[in-house]
This record gives sequence, structure tokens and C-alpha cells, in this order.
Amino acid sequence: NAGVTQTPKFQVLKTGQSMTLQCAQDMNHNSMYWYRQDPGMGLRLIYYSASEGTTDKGEVPNGYNVSRLNKREFSLRLESAAPSQTSVYFCATTGTSYDDYEQYFGPGTRLTVT
Amino acid sequence: QKEVEQDPGPLSVPEGAIVSLNCTYSNSAFQYFMWYRQYSRKGPELLMYTYSSGNKEDGRFTAQVDKSSKYISLFIRDSQPSDSATYLCAMSEVYGQNFVFGPGTRLSVLP
Repeated sequence: NAGVTQTPKFQVLKTGQSMTLQCAQDMNHNSMYWYRQDPGMGLRLIYYSASEGTTDKGEVPNGYNVSRLNKREFSLRLESAAPSQTSVYFCATTGTSYDDYEQYFGPGTRLTVT
Repeated sequence: QKEVEQDPGPLSVPEGAIVSLNCTYSNSAFQYFMWYRQYSRKGPELLMYTYSSGNKEDGRFTAQVDKSSKYISLFIRDSQPSDSATYLCAMSEVYGQNFVFGPGTRLSVLP
């Protein structure tokens, strides 16, 4: 039981390059989230998916796209990376039962855009 | 004004001290309140969860929510060096959805 996994762990991109961050969960959760974490800003929601086949914008969606491939997988794509997207990206899931309200986070992807 | 404010720290205390971490918020519709601990280069992990106002205790940790003042606190008793981490408050209006996080307070407990 791996929980929430993210790949890659580290990535360096040049401005204008594209890449996809992968997230997978084996917890059978419906809801999945992508956050970015920057110093002094805390965690900010980029996109979330309440269930397979649905996605919604969060607080900072510009420059990103997402795909909820199936119940397990939720990917985040940067089409044309910018230095402002240098950050640590976390994927998370949430259960939907009363006793499983916790958000479980992956280990993060550290992205640098030069 | 940010929706959730938190003392930025960093906060350094000696081992054994009582630590108080605080958040204020502006959205009176928040009902679910959480504290997360994040070690360096790791994802956050849930420490405490509280619904509405009141206190909740779990070992050395106590969470307090005062909805009338829009203020939540986390107290750590007998702090240990292993408590050194960044502490994030989070809250939501709807159960299990749309969490809003504070910026985090970095705590160092010195042996």
C-alpha cells in the first residue's frame, strides 16, 4: 500500500518547455488535488477532481492543465513552463466517508524553471 | 487580506517548553479545522482535526477553535526536538473539500 505516489521527484526545465507531473493513489479515494507550495505562501490549490471524469479550477490554475485519467491517476501538465512556476508540487487525495476526511499528501515534486 | 493568516515564525523554543501556534481567518463559513505537520522535504501529514468550536486533545497536542473570534490554536506540551517542523493550519466550509491552508509556522525545538 504505497498511498500517494508522485513522479518525478525533481525536475529542471527551461522556459517554454512542457512536462507532465504524475500522481497515483491506491486508497480508492474519489477526490484528488494538485497544490503548489511556495515560501511564505503556504499550499495553494491549482486544480482538483471530485471524482473520475470531473475537474475544477482552484485558486491558481493559470498555466496548468489536468487530466483525471481514471480513479487512481491525476496528472498536472505545464504546457509552456515559466520561471514563476518554480515551486514544490504536491498531489493529495481525500476520502469521502466521515471517518476518512484526512487529506493524504504525496512526497512532492520539486520543479525549477530556468 | 489573506483568507487564512498564520504567525510566520520561525519559532525557536527549548526542549520541554509549551508551544502555541495560531491562525486567524476571515471566512465565517469555515466549519472544519485541521493542523498539519510538515517535515523538511516531505508532504504534510494530519495532526489534529476539529469540527466547529471547542477543544480537542491528543497526547501532547491540543487544538482549540474559537469561531466567534475566528481564531484557532495548536498547543504542544513538553515539546521535543522531533517536533521541529513546519505547522500548517487548514480549514474548509464543506466536509472533506476545498481546504484553505495557512502559510505555515516553522518551529525548532532545541535540545
